[in-house]
Amino acid sequence: DGGITQSPKYLFRKEGQNVTLSCEQNLNHDAMYWYRQDPGQGLRLIYYSQIVNDFQKGDIAEGYSVSREKKESFPLTVTSAQKNPTAFYLCASNPNRGTEAFFGQGTRLTVV
Amino acid sequence: AQSVTQLGSHVSVSEGALVLLRCNYSSSVPPYLFWYVQYPNQGLQLLLKYTSAATLVKGINGFEAEFKKSETSFHLTKPSAHMSDAAEYFCAVSQRGSARQLTFGSGTQLTVLP
Repeated sequence: DGGITQSPKYLFRKEGQNVTLSCEQNLNHDAMYWYRQDPGQGLRLIYYSQIVNDFQKGDIAEGYSVSREKKESFPLTVTSAQKNPTAFYLCASNPNRGTEAFFGQGTRLTVV
Repeated sequence: AQSVTQLGSHVSVSEGALVLLRCNYSSSVPPYLFWYVQYPNQGLQLLLKYTSAATLVKGINGFEAEFKKSETSFHLTKPSAHMSDAAEYFCAVSQRGSARQLTFGSGTQLTVLP
């Protein structure tokens, strides 16, 4: 089945640690995206990538990093510089510019 | 720049009653508009989309939305609510040809009362 797979579903991080969230898609989509979701704030764009080996910052990129070495994969690293990382993280992809996005099931990150 | 405003962070309706979730947008160019639904601890699922064809758009699960350019609105409706409709709903806008992807509203939590 085609789709977007995010892992893990739940992740716990100690303060000062970097953690990496995985996002893999087999939809053959060029564009991939990372969003952060907090209660009452909707979804905010962290990073996006239109093509392999290229990516752009979204609205809240500080404290995050990404890579796009393969078309299928767009991992997100939450660094120790991110002061408030506890949130629900959603990965998405889309086949064409401006059209609808397809979402993964999300990763809930909690700082302990 | 583009933005989305969803009026009402929480909406409650009785089972069988009309569902109306409001969405207003701003966009400097003709937009694409979307409604998504999210169940707890899950990703977002597309309900319907407007991409400049018919202004009345029908989606899944009996939902529909009407694009009104003069009012810059894209309200979501369903004639008769079902218990399974309880979820969070997001309106989103994008600009045609934009690489920057969707801008989301803050969401509306729909509660369906028995």
